[in-house]
Amino acid sequence: NAGVTQTPKFQVLKTGQSMTLQCAQDMNHNSMYWYRQDPGMGLRLIYYSASEGTTDKGEVPNGYNVSRLNKREFSLRLESAAPSQTSVYFCASSGVSSGKRRDTQYFGPGTRLTVL
Amino acid sequence: GNSVTQMEGPVTLSEEAFLTINCTYTATGYPSLFWYVQYPGEGLQLLLKATKADDKGSNKGFEATYRKETTSFHLEKGSVQVSDSAVYFCALPLNDYKLSFGAGTTVTVRA
Repeated sequence: NAGVTQTPKFQVLKTGQSMTLQCAQDMNHNSMYWYRQDPGMGLRLIYYSASEGTTDKGEVPNGYNVSRLNKREFSLRLESAAPSQTSVYFCASSGVSSGKRRDTQYFGPGTRLTVL
Repeated sequence: GNSVTQMEGPVTLSEEAFLTINCTYTATGYPSLFWYVQYPGEGLQLLLKATKADDKGSNKGFEATYRKETTSFHLEKGSVQVSDSAVYFCALPLNDYKLSFGAGTTVTVRA
C-alpha cells in the first residue's frame, strides 16, 4: 500500500516550458487535491477534485490546469511555466475508509519545481 | 468561515524539553481538528486528530485536547527528541473537501 505517490520528485524548467505533475493514490479515495507550499505562505490549495469526473478551483488556480484521469490519478499541468510557479507541489487525497470521516487528507512526498 | 490561528515560530528547544505549540480556531459547529507534521524534505503526515469537543488526540508522545471553551487545540509533548525537529501544522475542515491550515511552526530540537 503505497498511499499517495507523485512524479517527478524534482524538476527544473525554463520560463514558458510546459509540464505535467502526476499523482496517484491506492487508497480508493474519492477526493484528491493539489497544493503548493512556499516559504512564509503555508499551504495553498490550487485545485481539487471532490470525486471522479469533477474538478474545482482552489485559492490559487491561475496558470494551472488539472485532469482527474480516473479515481486513482489526478494530474496538474503548467502550460507555460513562470518563475512565480517555483514551489513545492503536494498532492493529497481523502475519502471514507472503514467508517471514518472523510476529512482527513493524506499527502504525497512532493515535487520540487524550479522555473528559471 | 472556519479558520485556525497558529503560534508562529521558529521554536528552538533542547532535547528532553517540554514543547507546546498553540492553535486556536474559529468554526461553525464542532468540526474535526488536526495536527500535521512535515519532516525535512517530506510531505505532510497526519500526526493526530480529534473529532469532537473534549476529545484528546495522541500519537508519538504528542497530545492535543479539543477545548471548546477556549476554542483551542494546543499541541504538547513532554520530552522532545532531535527526531521531532519538523514543521507542525494545525488544520480544520472548511467543508467536506477543503482543509484550512495554519501557517506552520518550525521546531528545531538540539542535542
